[in-house]
Amino acid sequence: DGGITQSPKYLFRKEGQNVTLSCEQNLNHDAMYWYRQDPGQGLRLIYYSQIVNDFQKGDIAEGYSVSREKKESFPLTVTSAQKNPTAFYLCASSIIGTGLANYGYTFGSGTRLTVV
Amino acid sequence: QQQVKQSPQSLIVQKGGISIINCAYENTAFDYFPWYQQFPGKGPALLIAIRPDVSEKKEGRFTISFNKSAKQFSLHIMDSQPGDSATYFCAAESSGSARQLTFGSGTQLTVLP
Repeated sequence: DGGITQSPKYLFRKEGQNVTLSCEQNLNHDAMYWYRQDPGQGLRLIYYSQIVNDFQKGDIAEGYSVSREKKESFPLTVTSAQKNPTAFYLCASSIIGTGLANYGYTFGSGTRLTVV
Repeated sequence: QQQVKQSPQSLIVQKGGISIINCAYENTAFDYFPWYQQFPGKGPALLIAIRPDVSEKKEGRFTISFNKSAKQFSLHIMDSQPGDSATYFCAAESSGSARQLTFGSGTQLTVLP
C-alpha cells in the first residue's frame, strides 16, 4: 500500500540531545512537509521541500533542521537549540501539479516526542 | 496575509444532531478547500474537499457549503455519531502558488451518545 511512514511512533529525548525523526513516502509525491502539533492546537509548519536537495523554512524552523537527499525521504532533526520540543510531529506529502488539479496532503501517523 | 480562521474551537453535539464548523479566508487566490479529520494520536486524513466553482458538495453525511462572495466555507455533519468525535481542520490552497495548504486552527468535536 502506498503511504507515508513515520518512525518512531514515540521518542524520548534527553536535555541537550539531537534526535532525528524519520519520514518516508512511496507515493512518488514531489513535496514533503513537517508540522508540529501541540495539545489542542493547530498545525504549525516547520519546513517543507518541493524538490530533492532543496527545502524552505516554515513558520517555526528555529531549532530544527532537515535534509532531502532522496525524493522518498525527508528526515527532521530536532536540535538542542529547540527549547520546547515536546510535541506531536506530523510529516505530509503532496503532488505539485499544474492547472486546476488539487490533491491536498497525505499525512503520516505522527511521532510523539517527549523531553525527559 | 494568508490566513484561514476557523470556529468554534470546540463543539459538543448530541448523537443525531447536526455539527457545523465554519471557516473564513482572506486570500482570493485560494481555489481548493479541503477538510481534514484527525483522531487522537493519528495524522489528519482528507475528509472532503471543494473548489469554488460549486456552492455545495455532499459525501454521505458530510457536506461542504461554500460562499465565494463572503469568503466563507463550512462543514456540516448530519446525523452526528460518537464515532465522528475528532478534531477537524479546514484548509485552503492556491494552485497558482507553491501549492502550500494553509490550515485553520482546528475544531474539537465531541458527539455525546
